[in-house]
Amino acid sequence: KAGVTQTPRYLIKTRGQQVTLSCSPISGHRSVSWYQQTPGQGLQFLFEYFSETQRNKGNFPGRFSGRQFSNSRSEMNVSTLELGDSALYLCASSLRAGSNYGYTFGSGTRLTVV
Amino acid sequence: AQRVTQPEKLLSVFKGAPVELKCNYSYSGSPELFWYVQYSRQRLQLLLRHISRESIKGFTADLNKGETSFHLKKPFAQEEDSAMYYCALISGGTSYGKLTFGQGTILTVHP
Repeated sequence: KAGVTQTPRYLIKTRGQQVTLSCSPISGHRSVSWYQQTPGQGLQFLFEYFSETQRNKGNFPGRFSGRQFSNSRSEMNVSTLELGDSALYLCASSLRAGSNYGYTFGSGTRLTVV
Repeated sequence: AQRVTQPEKLLSVFKGAPVELKCNYSYSGSPELFWYVQYSRQRLQLLLRHISRESIKGFTADLNKGETSFHLKKPFAQEEDSAMYYCALISGGTSYGKLTFGQGTILTVHP
């Protein structure tokens, strides 16, 4: 079955702009989480959605937001981009939130802010 | 707050040698721990989870609550084991938890 799909794979944006990233989970998975990966900070949790509701949020400013649709697809939005937002953004899906089955990750969207 | 520590950023061994990647955690609740692996140019993938007590690709990991550790072990390393390994903890119990990752260990297995 198809894995977790993230689009686009690469993005270049200018400071001050906003960006929307998309994630399609594995069919049947209802939980979608987002992570930011940088060389300095490693993998950091952004938020998790389940049944269209944000269930958990990491320590990121309000410029980072997300949503989940009824088909479990999720989008992440970053407004007023800063240079420090340059990172690989990973999406992960699981059958349910807080799952001890583990999460399946997508290939990520590489965001570069110039 | 939960924390995962992987003390070794780099680990090099020779093919056939035993390998142990260390992971220590701090969490006040009952932890659920995982090892994830990222091979070159591939996505992050689940290697194993403590709850299943499984062995994947010859790797095992035992949760030691007394030492708050979840070290990953393999008796005979192979060149194809070379990758970045992340230890991760899920918090929130039966709530909607987040994965907290360690900083990762780059394992290189030399021929």
